[in-house]
Amino acid sequence: DTGVSQDPRHKITKRGQNVTFRCDPISEHNRLYWYRQTLGQGPEFLTYFQNEAQLEKSRLLSDRFSAERPKGSFSTLEIQRTEQGDSAMYLCASSGWKQGAPVKSTNEKLFFGSGTQLSVL
Amino acid sequence: AQSVSQHNHHVILSEAASLELGCNYSYGGTVNLFWYVQYPGQHLQLLLKYFSGDPLVKGIKGFEAEFIKSKFSFNLRKPSVQWSDTAEYFCAASNSGTYKYIFGTGTRLKVLA
Repeated sequence: DTGVSQDPRHKITKRGQNVTFRCDPISEHNRLYWYRQTLGQGPEFLTYFQNEAQLEKSRLLSDRFSAERPKGSFSTLEIQRTEQGDSAMYLCASSGWKQGAPVKSTNEKLFFGSGTQLSVL
Repeated sequence: AQSVSQHNHHVILSEAASLELGCNYSYGGTVNLFWYVQYPGQHLQLLLKYFSGDPLVKGIKGFEAEFIKSKFSFNLRKPSVQWSDTAEYFCAASNSGTYKYIFGTGTRLKVLA
């Protein structure tokens, strides 16, 4: 278990630029999540995948945000035309198990990465 | 809409004091409940969870939480806190059989040595 990896750790960009973040989940996990967290707030749900399929996307999420998980392994989160309000910590988490592995749903828990801190100037 | 509320945003305690952090949820149907903790400089990690059965659940480091369905609550408790419990605590919930987790705003706990 090498944990959930996120890259980059920090990103500073100018307003209007596009940014892309990467998340590598725990390899055995089939679910991958993106959350956004600002100071003094809890993680805000953005979207999640089960394997390649994006199962749910927050209604609060602007069309400028898009996430992909093309091969059911790593995921990317892209923000187009960034705004100052996009400044936040973007967290990735993974859970579940690959098909065929025995697991009980009661074992379900999220494993979080260290996050990508985005600053939009 | 599904939501999780934590009313204590900041708590300061002395070592050995007892702790109770409130968590209320607004969900239809059967709910799964969690407490996550984030120690300074570390990732969010699971403290304890409730799926079904005994409403009093025990987690790591002496923490426990009680699910009270009639009050829509899942409060976190510890009889005697230590300085090392200084962290931010987040309550989270999901509908049973689904995997979308909603988090509360968190409670920042500071324990004075």
